[in-house]
Amino acid sequence: QKEVEQNSGPLSVPEGAIASLNCTYSDRGSQSFFWYRQYSGKSPELIMFIYSNGDKEDGRFTAQLNKASQYVSLLIRDSQPSDSATYLCALLRGGTASKLTFGTGTRLQVTL
Amino acid sequence: DVKVTQSSRYLVKRTGEKVFLECVQDMDHENMFWYRQDPGLGLRLIYFSYDVKMKEKGDIPEGYSVSREKKERFSLILESASTNQTSMYLCASSSGTGAGGYTFGSGTRLTVV
Repeated sequence: QKEVEQNSGPLSVPEGAIASLNCTYSDRGSQSFFWYRQYSGKSPELIMFIYSNGDKEDGRFTAQLNKASQYVSLLIRDSQPSDSATYLCALLRGGTASKLTFGTGTRLQVTL
Repeated sequence: DVKVTQSSRYLVKRTGEKVFLECVQDMDHENMFWYRQDPGLGLRLIYFSYDVKMKEKGDIPEGYSVSREKKERFSLILESASTNQTSMYLCASSSGTGAGGYTFGSGTRLTVV
């Protein structure tokens, strides 16, 4: 089982809809979770992070964490064509200092 | 604005050449990382460093070495470039605990011919 699993997509949503991106992980000792956005040919940029169970909102983005079920998700409200990118889930495991473990990413396409 | 700067955006090198990729951060971060990213394989960790003159192997260190002589600079060295090292190389840095995640550089697209 992969440490971090994401559906590669593409996930296609119409403009204005809610995009839901999901990530599951195997290590229950994982402490913090991160969502990165990566445009084609560019480097990843941090959108938000979460470390407590529940929801965390930042503008149009909401991260959701459920440690009991070992999943983390990212909701993007009012999706825009500029949100079309690959979204990487990453986690910080206990005992690994600051080394993040990344999923392979989900490609999101927002259609007009 | 805080930054991680990679010296080259695009690089073309010949097989067998020794290649240096440079990364500099201005955030006084303790930790620095080198990844390569290939389609379908995601981000793979090559080497990382928690302190000056300190280095640890990542998941795919073969064919690479690193140097960290100063806190702000982390260099990746391809001892003898091969075509299978054609890739996007990403440098990242983070604070001591890593709680804030990584800041990535803009990447170097290396082509070995």
